[in-house]
Amino acid sequence: KAGVTQTPRYLIKTRGQQVTLSCSPISGHRSVSWYQQTPGQGLQFLFEYFSETQRNKGNFPGRFSGRQFSNSRSEMNVSTLELGDSALYLCASSLLDGYNSPLHFGNGTRLTVT
Amino acid sequence: GQQLNQSPQSMFIQEGEDVSMNCTSSSIFNTWLWYKQDPGEGPVLLIALYKAGELTSNGRLTAQFGITRKDSFLNISASIPSDVGIYFCAGQTLLSSNTGKLIFGQGTTLQVKP
Repeated sequence: KAGVTQTPRYLIKTRGQQVTLSCSPISGHRSVSWYQQTPGQGLQFLFEYFSETQRNKGNFPGRFSGRQFSNSRSEMNVSTLELGDSALYLCASSLLDGYNSPLHFGNGTRLTVT
Repeated sequence: GQQLNQSPQSMFIQEGEDVSMNCTSSSIFNTWLWYKQDPGEGPVLLIALYKAGELTSNGRLTAQFGITRKDSFLNISASIPSDVGIYFCAGQTLLSSNTGKLIFGQGTTLQVKP
């Protein structure tokens, strides 16, 4: 079974630009969550999508948004990029058709904002 | 917001030694998870714990869900060079159960000297 796939692996953007990151969950997984990882703040929850609906949201500004498609694939978008948005963005998927469904992470997209 | 206190922050040990790390919280957690992250990759699930007092092993790894539901520990026995990496604890409160929202510790960096 293929794992969680994130594209692209690396991105370099300029302040003020916007960026879209993509995530394909493990086959059969219906929940997709996004996390931001930085050396200073560690791993922080951005949002979760389940059945094409945002179910949970972390404490990030509205510049961070996402969506989920009917095949469970998800995208996240960051608009008006700031230097502080430089981070590793991780996507995780899980079954969530009952309890005891742990998250499985992809290898992330490394975003650098200059 | 809620935080997990993970300790130690880093460890430098000799190959063959046992390792112990733990996480504590001021809040009650319903789920404890332990992940390992290698450079340039996403976190990989090691052990998932869903019941207070639960003790679970995965090869040389053993983790326990504290009976107070506010702590968890991870032990690695007979460490080997490939154990090098960053270990994260993560937890879910009752409200976040069966969702993609995890709270992560700050990580324990493990280095093993051959």
